[in-house]
Amino acid sequence: DGGITQSPKYLFRKEGQNVTLSCEQNLNHDAMYWYRQDPGQGLRLIYYSQIVNDFQKGDIAEGYSVSREKKESFPLTVTSAQKNPTAFYLCASRITGPVGYGYTFGSGTRLTVV
Amino acid sequence: SQKIEQNSEALNIQEGKTATLTCNYTNYSPAYLQWYRQDPGRGPVFLLLIRENEKEKRKERLKVTFDTTLKQSLFHITASQPADSATYLCALPYNQGGKLIFGQGTELSVKP
Repeated sequence: DGGITQSPKYLFRKEGQNVTLSCEQNLNHDAMYWYRQDPGQGLRLIYYSQIVNDFQKGDIAEGYSVSREKKESFPLTVTSAQKNPTAFYLCASRITGPVGYGYTFGSGTRLTVV
Repeated sequence: SQKIEQNSEALNIQEGKTATLTCNYTNYSPAYLQWYRQDPGRGPVFLLLIRENEKEKRKERLKVTFDTTLKQSLFHITASQPADSATYLCALPYNQGGKLIFGQGTELSVKP
């Protein structure tokens, strides 16, 4: 079955540590997105990529980095510069082209600072 | 800047009744609007998209309206069931790149 796989489901980060969240899709979608979700808030866009080897900052990119070396993969690194990283992270992908398609989301990674 | 607002208070209804959720937006004229369902600890699931030139769209027990004059979308679930209990998010496109801005969601609880 086609879909998006995020791993790990739960991740614990120590102060000053960088961690990488994995996002893999087998939907053949060109566009991929990373969102952060905090309690009582809407999803906020961190980074997005419309094509391999290209990506753009979203609204809250500070303290995060990404790469898009393969169409199927869009990993997110949470660096030590991100001061409040505890949140639920969601990866999504979308068919580009005519309007009519929604995002397909992964199941999320819950990151906690310990 | 663009802003989306959904009822922050949870909506509690009885099984079999119609649930109506509201999505309001300001400073914006979107070409379309989307609705998603999110269960606890899971990613959102796409439900429906309605374009600016469509007044209403239906999918099984779901009905969405889009009033570009009022800058509002209503999301209805008819003959609601306990399995419909979840948080429902509305989303609008902004700028380019297929980016979406999401509302904070409304939690729906359907009691048997």
